[in-house]
Amino acid sequence: GQQLNQSPQSMFIQEGEDVSMNCTSSSIFNTWLWYKQEPGEGPVLLIALYKAGELTSNGRLTAQFGITRKDSFLNISASIPSDVGIYFCAGQNYGGSQGNLIFGKGTKLSVKP
Amino acid sequence: NAGVTQTPKFRVLKTGQSMTLLCAQDMNHEYMYWYRQDPGMGLRLIHYSVGEGTTAKGEVPDGYNVSRLKKQNFLLGLESAAPSQTSVYFCASSYRQGAREQYFGPGTRLTVT
Repeated sequence: GQQLNQSPQSMFIQEGEDVSMNCTSSSIFNTWLWYKQEPGEGPVLLIALYKAGELTSNGRLTAQFGITRKDSFLNISASIPSDVGIYFCAGQNYGGSQGNLIFGKGTKLSVKP
Repeated sequence: NAGVTQTPKFRVLKTGQSMTLLCAQDMNHEYMYWYRQDPGMGLRLIHYSVGEGTTAKGEVPDGYNVSRLKKQNFLLGLESAAPSQTSVYFCASSYRQGAREQYFGPGTRLTVT
């Protein structure tokens, strides 16, 4: 089945630093989604990307849908302590069971004040 | 709107016991999903439903059953719990399949001893 490789697995950064993480796939997706999960909570949608090359921002977060449709990137600028959590990418294709989301294994972000 | 709610939040079972997890959504979404989350594994789809009265298998369906008797509710059952089913279970819903965006509940932490 389809698999997503998400990297890095974890990050320890200083408050104020920028963060970059990415997801790659062996196959093409039509949609990329980025979620954040805080301890004890369910994932919350941050950004949705619908076409190749698309660049979308949500506050200090910026995500891009790769041109090849096999990858996506998430950047966080000027990190703050409340950015702590696990960030998941998810890819999706349309049609039948392929319409279901495939999730990466997550990037755990720790921010030192 | 409450969004997606799950009950219970925590549960401890002994091997061989049965239980049902309840998911409810008040967004009039057609599609609902059950995932399990294990450390380092990300989110894996157990079963999903594309509408009232319908269910389908996801990536890891063995040992689980589901029912969608009402549009707003999606039940996940464990007939004979095993330690391998110790996990955090998340329910999600979306307007249509694959969703583009799926909205998650807060999770149920299940421990099977």
